[in-house]
Amino acid sequence: TQLLEQSPQFLSIQEGENLTVYCNSSSVFSSLQWYRQEPGEGPVLLVTVVTGGEVKKLKRLTFQFGDARKDSSLHITAAQPGDTGLYLCAGAILRLTGRRALTFGSGTRLQVQP
Amino acid sequence: ETGVTQTPRHLVMGMTNKKSLKCEQHLGHNAMYWYKQSAKKPLELMFVYSLEERVENNSVPSRFSPECPNSSHLFLHLHTLQPEDSALYLCASSQGATGPNYEQYFGPGTRLTVT
Repeated sequence: TQLLEQSPQFLSIQEGENLTVYCNSSSVFSSLQWYRQEPGEGPVLLVTVVTGGEVKKLKRLTFQFGDARKDSSLHITAAQPGDTGLYLCAGAILRLTGRRALTFGSGTRLQVQP
Repeated sequence: ETGVTQTPRHLVMGMTNKKSLKCEQHLGHNAMYWYKQSAKKPLELMFVYSLEERVENNSVPSRFSPECPNSSHLFLHLHTLQPEDSALYLCASSQGATGPNYEQYFGPGTRLTVT
C-alpha cells in the first residue's frame, strides 16, 4: 500500500499570511491531485499535476509536483478565511491490471482566522 | 453543484437495521466509487464500479453491499452494522477508471451514525 504523508496535520493562521502544505511519498505517481473539503461536504478537486517539476497556479494557490513525481506542495499566498478547510492530496498509480488506484493522504486541516 | 448527489445526507441506524445509501451522478461518467471517511484516517476506498461492473472490493465486510444498476446510480446497502462503521460515506465518479488523471468528483456524503 502506497502511503502519502501530509504535513502539517493542522495549521491555524491569520488572514493575510502565507503557508505551504506538503505531501510526500516514497512511491512514484503518474499524477497527483489536490482537493479541498469543507465541513459537511465532499472533497472538491482543485488541480491535477502530471509532469515532474510541474507548477500550476490557481489564483493565490500554487501547486508544485516534485521532479521525481513522489512529492508535491501547495502554497497559499495571503490566505483568506474562505481558504479554511481540509486539504487532501491524492496520488494515482497505474496497476498491472491497467486500472488506476488513487491513494489519499490524511489531510491538512487549515483554519484561517479573520 | 458538483454533479454528484447523495441521499440521505444524515442517517442514524441501529445495529439491527437495514438501510441503503443512494448516489446519483449527472456528469456522464462511467466509473463510480464508494469511500469511507473516518476521523483521523485517510479516505478509504471501498468499492469501484466501471461500466456497471464491480472491479474492486477493498476487503470490505459483507455487511456492506454495493449495487450499480446503471452508470448514473450507485447504492450501498447496509445491514447489521457496528458502531465503528459510523463515518462519512462518500460517493464519487470519474470518466473511466483507467484514464491518465483519474480525477474524482465527489458527492456531499452521507453522515452515518450507528447506535
